[in-house]
Amino acid sequence: ETGVTQTPRHLVMGMTNKKSLKCEQHLGHNAMYWYKQSAKKPLELMFVYNFKEQTENNSVPSRFSPECPNSSHLFLHLHTLQPEDSALYLCASSQRTSGGYTQYFGPGTRLTVL
Amino acid sequence: DQQVKQNSPSLSVQEGRISILNCDYTNSMFDYFLWYKKYPAEGPTFLISISSIKDKNEDGRFTVFLNKSAKHLSLHIVPSPPGDSAVYFCAGKGATNKLIFGTGTLLAVQP
Repeated sequence: ETGVTQTPRHLVMGMTNKKSLKCEQHLGHNAMYWYKQSAKKPLELMFVYNFKEQTENNSVPSRFSPECPNSSHLFLHLHTLQPEDSALYLCASSQRTSGGYTQYFGPGTRLTVL
Repeated sequence: DQQVKQNSPSLSVQEGRISILNCDYTNSMFDYFLWYKKYPAEGPTFLISISSIKDKNEDGRFTVFLNKSAKHLSLHIVPSPPGDSAVYFCAGKGATNKLIFGTGTLLAVQP
């Protein structure tokens, strides 16, 4: 596997379910990101992790809980979501050192909350 | 407050012609601008970037122009095959490496 992978690609869940999204990057990067893309809206940054430490939480509701066990893996734990949380969730990574700034994205998880 | 704006939701061009995608921004602190392309059911793919201290950057079929005084940038794609049909996003990078994205422009290249 190369690049940034995300699983599952599609997820349908009820409002009382608990599920997790997984992201893995094979690029040797040290920063990872979660974004949300809703219809007709810009990509919204949710969380940033640098060297496994969370450095940004963009006022995301607590029903979204990120976890970064190492620089290659990032999870987004979901519980008691609302229908308006239905969106495409994208993971990205970048190399924060050496002036790197380009973010490389995974294919996304299409989430539907019923 | 949208710091990055792509005012054209869609653009249609003929195959083989030039595609010009536009982007405006309000944040003077952006130090880099990036363009991404996104096909349905895929994540955005990085295309090209430009530093705020430059006014032009070229990479193959892609050229990005930056007009700092107008806070405007554009992406030129020459030529445009049908495979270039996708949504194109521009993004500005702030001091903390945070990317702020526009809403995207859907480019349709007609055969």
